[in-house]
Amino acid sequence: AQSVTQPDIHITVSEGASLELRCNYSYGATPYLFWYVQSPGQGLQLLLKYFSGDTLVQGIKGFEAEFKRSQSSFNLRKPSVHWSDAAEYFCAVGARGTYKYIFGTGTRLKVLA
Amino acid sequence: NAGVTQTPKFQVLKTGQSMTLQCAQDMNHNSMYWYRQDPGMGLRLIYYSASEGTTDKGEVPNGYNVSRLNKREFSLRLESAAPSQTSVYFCASSETDGSYEQYFGPGTRLTVT
Repeated sequence: AQSVTQPDIHITVSEGASLELRCNYSYGATPYLFWYVQSPGQGLQLLLKYFSGDTLVQGIKGFEAEFKRSQSSFNLRKPSVHWSDAAEYFCAVGARGTYKYIFGTGTRLKVLA
Repeated sequence: NAGVTQTPKFQVLKTGQSMTLQCAQDMNHNSMYWYRQDPGMGLRLIYYSASEGTTDKGEVPNGYNVSRLNKREFSLRLESAAPSQTSVYFCASSETDGSYEQYFGPGTRLTVT
């Protein structure tokens, strides 16, 4: 079955600390992978995406993600978290020829001052 | 450039009432989507429209209908609202299929009493 798993429902980090949000997927076709961020009361905004090439991709707001095919993972990282990064983060997978993206259930990030 | 707009932002309905959620995009995108977001469940696809003139069911279509009015507009209709349809509804658009990122509207928070 096709699925996206974000194992951490909540994560709390201190401002300035590093961050890694996990995402694992199970998908039959060649995956196009996305990370979105949702601030409270807002829609989702794209952070970054990957479909081929360099397995380390850079996104907006200082985020990066690494694709590991052998582990079916696409983890999101940030070296130093800012208080404004507190939000919910969603991993998603899509594919060419299909319109049914699959979203993970999200990881809510809390940042301590 | 407004991106994806949704109206209304908030709505309270009584069980059995009907309403239409409106969505428009100004990015000349071919594909449009309606999702619902419920706590702990991520985003679930209700309906999508791959291109103007076509619509297809997503994961949770029961109780909903859609209309792709033209390339810009994609509406979602609840014919007889039920408390189980209390949710936050997001409209999104993309250039074409799942190999492209989606752009999301700000959402409509619907409560059915």
